[in-house]
Amino acid sequence: NAGVTQTPKFRVLKTGQSMTLLCAQDMNHEYMYWYRQDPGMGLRLIHYSVGEGTTAKGEVPDGYNVSRLKKQNFLLGLESAAPSQTSVYFCASSTQPTGLETQYFGPGTRLLVL
Amino acid sequence: AQSVTQPDIHITVSEGASLELRCNYSYGATPYLFWYVQSPGQGLQLLLKYFSGDTLVQGIKGFEAEFKRSQSSFNLRKPSVHWSDAAEYFCAVGAGGTASKLTFGTGTRLQVTL
Repeated sequence: NAGVTQTPKFRVLKTGQSMTLLCAQDMNHEYMYWYRQDPGMGLRLIHYSVGEGTTAKGEVPDGYNVSRLKKQNFLLGLESAAPSQTSVYFCASSTQPTGLETQYFGPGTRLLVL
Repeated sequence: AQSVTQPDIHITVSEGASLELRCNYSYGATPYLFWYVQSPGQGLQLLLKYFSGDTLVQGIKGFEAEFKRSQSSFNLRKPSVHWSDAAEYFCAVGAGGTASKLTFGTGTRLQVTL
């Protein structure tokens, strides 16, 4: 049981390049989330998904796209990377909200955009 | 909209000393409250959570937190800190009456001196 895994762990991009971050969970969770973490700002929700084939915007969605083609995977895409997207990206998953669920986090992807 | 304030950016305590990390929240209804810990280079791990009932919540690693509605606080405590507790601690509140959308505080970095 690996929990939540993220690929890659670290990436350097040039401005304008594109990339996709992969999140996978093996807990059969319905909900999945992408956050970014910046110094002094805590974690901010980028996009989330309440089930396979669904996505929704979070607090800071601009410049990102997501897809949830399979229940266990949640992809975060950067079509044209900008230096402002330099950050640490965390994926999380949880069961359907019952008031008792917990979000489980992956180890993070560190992205540097030059 | 909900919000979380962690007033202390950085705290230093001696090993064996007691610890209290402050968290204040703003939310119109009964909040769902969480404390997460992030060790260097790692993802977030849930320490404890509060949904309802007993206002003193026990978590892992000897941590506890007390929900005080009158003060809108959910402070994290540990009676005796170990060097391995050095990490960053995040308080979070669940949005919309569920835990599915979390709003995080900016974090408190704990340093433990020997």
